[in-house]
Amino acid sequence: AQKVTQAQTEISVVEKEDVTLDCVYETRDTTYYLFWYKQPPSGELVFLIRRNSFDEQNEISGRYSWNFQKSTSSFNFTITASQVVDSAVYFCALSEAGSRDDKIIFGKGTRLHILP
Amino acid sequence: EAQVTQNPRYLITVTGKKLTVTCSQNMNHEYMSWYRQDPGLGLRQIYYSMNVEVTDKGDVPEGYKVSRKEKRNFPLILESPSPNQTSLYFCASSPQVNQETQYFGPGTRLLVL
Repeated sequence: AQKVTQAQTEISVVEKEDVTLDCVYETRDTTYYLFWYKQPPSGELVFLIRRNSFDEQNEISGRYSWNFQKSTSSFNFTITASQVVDSAVYFCALSEAGSRDDKIIFGKGTRLHILP
Repeated sequence: EAQVTQNPRYLITVTGKKLTVTCSQNMNHEYMSWYRQDPGLGLRQIYYSMNVEVTDKGDVPEGYKVSRKEKRNFPLILESPSPNQTSLYFCASSPQVNQETQYFGPGTRLLVL
């Protein structure tokens, strides 16, 4: 069965610090997709990134970077030089491409507070 | 503008009074899905649909029904709402289930008294 664990319920850091949000997943499939979403205080859900299981290259997008490691079943998200606008709840999600189900499983989210 | 719309955005109702939350997308997406978001539980998938007339249960389908008679619409039906269905509901769509961008609606906040 698929599962996504975001062990950090809430994190607070001071602006300009770097912060890493952890995501650990469980799946029996060899083909799967991992996602990160951001939910700012306004409530909408914003897609950040998708990674498929065959692409272990790390990704960088501005101040955001993602570290995908199949050996540890982790897909961690790092914000460099954090800003107050990064304050949000961040969700990691998993979808198994090879299973009969086409469910998407979300983690419980990490609430990130960036303090000015 | 590409978007997913949900109606209503806010709803207060009483136990047992049937209600429907509509969801519509204008992107000709095949995959549509409903989630509920609860504090400490994150987002949980209720139902999803791979295409017209194809629907399947997510992780928390009890107490909900859906239909997919047209590609653009995916209503969520609560036949007999109960207080434990008080939640924030999101509809989402994507071209296929694992496509890069899943578009989410703005959310519907439901309170069942």
